[in-house]
Amino acid sequence: TAGITQAPTSQILAAGRSMTLRCTQDMRHNAMYWYRQDLGLGLRLIHYSNTAGTTGKGEVPDGYSVSRANTDDFPLTLASAVPSQTSVYFCASSELLGSEQYFGPGTRLTVT
Amino acid sequence: AQSVTQLGSHVSVSEGALVLLRCNYSSSVPPYLFWYVQYPNQGLQLLLKYTTGATLVKGINGFEAEFKKSETSFHLTKPSAHMSDAAEYFCAVSGVTSGSRLTFGEGTQLTVNP
Repeated sequence: TAGITQAPTSQILAAGRSMTLRCTQDMRHNAMYWYRQDLGLGLRLIHYSNTAGTTGKGEVPDGYSVSRANTDDFPLTLASAVPSQTSVYFCASSELLGSEQYFGPGTRLTVT
Repeated sequence: AQSVTQLGSHVSVSEGALVLLRCNYSSSVPPYLFWYVQYPNQGLQLLLKYTTGATLVKGINGFEAEFKKSETSFHLTKPSAHMSDAAEYFCAVSGVTSGSRLTFGEGTQLTVNP
């Protein structure tokens, strides 16, 4: 079972460019999440989705957008990247909004 | 509302020594509690969870945690540390009955010295 896959593994992106980080799960989980992880700041929730067709804002949503067209996919888009968005991004999913989450391997993004 | 406090951002133990990572939580509803481990350059992996029932929960790799409602704690322990236990550990809380998301602590980096 693949669980959660993320692509790309890593990326260097010029400031001002747009990019979509991909996330796919094969567990048929209802809820999905995007986090960023920065040294000394732990995990911070960017956006989440309770179920297909709905999304919500987390702690640090500015500069990011998401969509949830179906159960399996939850892409994260940076419309115009800035250096402060340099981070490691993790996608996660859970059966329900408060149940245990399963994490992908992460995408390391560097914005120059 | 819910929150998690992990006491000590860095913990260092000798190989073979007891591991104790502290987690205190606050929650307005009965909590579900979790411990995750993150090895370098990897995602988070679930170690163990408490939902209901027995308050002493056993997880993978010899770890266990005890839910103590009176102390609002969920400390993680392992009797004898291995070098392979070196990683970052995250405590998390949710209130499933209220439909609330997981709230993560800021993490504790465990170092195991030979």
